Parts: sequence; structure tokens; C-alpha cells
Amino acid sequence: GAGVSQSPRYKVAKRGQDVALRCDPISGHVSLFWYQQALGQGPEFLTYFQNEAQLDKSGLPSDRFFAERPEGSVSTLKIQRTQQEDSAVYLCASSLAVGGEAFFGQGTRLTVV
Amino acid sequence: GESVGLHLPTLSVQEGDNSIINCAYSNSASDYFIWYKQESGKGPQFIIDIRSNMDKRQGQRVTVLLNKTVKHLSLQIAATQPGDSAVYFCAETPLYGGATNKLIFGTGTLLAVQP
Repeated sequence: GAGVSQSPRYKVAKRGQDVALRCDPISGHVSLFWYQQALGQGPEFLTYFQNEAQLDKSGLPSDRFFAERPEGSVSTLKIQRTQQEDSAVYLCASSLAVGGEAFFGQGTRLTVV
Repeated sequence: GESVGLHLPTLSVQEGDNSIINCAYSNSASDYFIWYKQESGKGPQFIIDIRSNMDKRQGQRVTVLLNKTVKHLSLQIAATQPGDSAVYFCAETPLYGGATNKLIFGTGTLLAVQP
């Protein structure tokens, strides 16, 4: 595709449910980032992949959050036992090279009820 | 879609006027700065960037100014149009920040252009 694609666009989860959010980066992009954006706030860094290697996961808020990129392309962000404070837009971004311009997807809006 | 602009500082301008959006950054080690535009229901979109060895950079209708002494960044939009209405974020990162080059976003500003 022409840009970063994220699915689903919207997800409603009951508290305690596990969710999986998918990111398809731009083909050939080495770097992949996940950000969390609460309503009315700027995006906050969660984790970073360079190809299949997860080089930085310092932004993951708890051990309920897990991300993977097993083949260095598609990435999945998984949240276990969702809680209301997990409600946010989850943004994925990719860049061709380390330090290159980051292109963002439209995000997945997660609402935990 | 739901607005990302709730609780954000708002700048309201008339169509055709120039807009200036300001941002204070926190990390003196940051050496690369980017302005993003985010429309409702969309991800951030790159507008313009500047490195710390510059104090001004111009694009099409946009200019970014960097004052490292007071750690201040501004975005100037000339002849603002209704399509410029969005939330604007500044972001900082160390250019050679090791493995990550993660972006640190500031508090956004909602730009509302009145026709």
C-alpha cells in the first residue's frame, strides 16, 4: 500500500479482554514505532523495532503490553486484560531508515468499557 | 470523528492571516525538531523539520524558527487557509540518538481558521 495501514480502525473491548492491534508499515521500511495518544494529548512513545528486533520498549506502560514484529514487516501490539486507562488511539509509524522521516498510520481507537 | 483538540490551547485566526504556533521543548540534548499536523481522525502528518545547527527553515507557506538559547520552536503559516485547521504538534529527538530516534511530542495547539 501507499501508506502505513492500521487495523482495526476502532475497537471496543470489555474490561479484562485481550486485544491485538495490527500495523502494516510501508514496504521496505526498517524502523517501526508504536505510540499511544490519549484524548487531547500528544502521542507518547511505546516501543521501537528495527527490522524484527525490538530495540526499545521503555515506553510500554506495563507488562500487559506486548509488541512483536517477527518477520520485520507487519507488527502487532497486544494488550492483555485491558483496563479503562488503556483507552486511547494507538498510532503506528514507520521510516525507511533509522532516523528518517516517520510516516504515521491513521491509528486504532481503543475504547475499554 | 472525535476531535483530538479537546483541552488543547487554541489559536483562532481569520482566513488569509498569518499564524504563529509556539512550542517550548525540554531536552537541551535534542538536535532535531519536527512539526506535525494532525487532523481529526488521522495520524500526524509531517510538515517541516529543522536541525539544531540552523535557526530558520522555510517550506511552502511554512517557516520554522528555532531558538536554542530559550529552547523555543515556532511554526509560521502564511496566508492561513481553512484546510490548515488542525492540531499542530512539535516533536523533538536526538538526531543521533542511538537505536531509537523516538519522537517526544509537545502539547498540541488547535488552529481554527475562520472563513
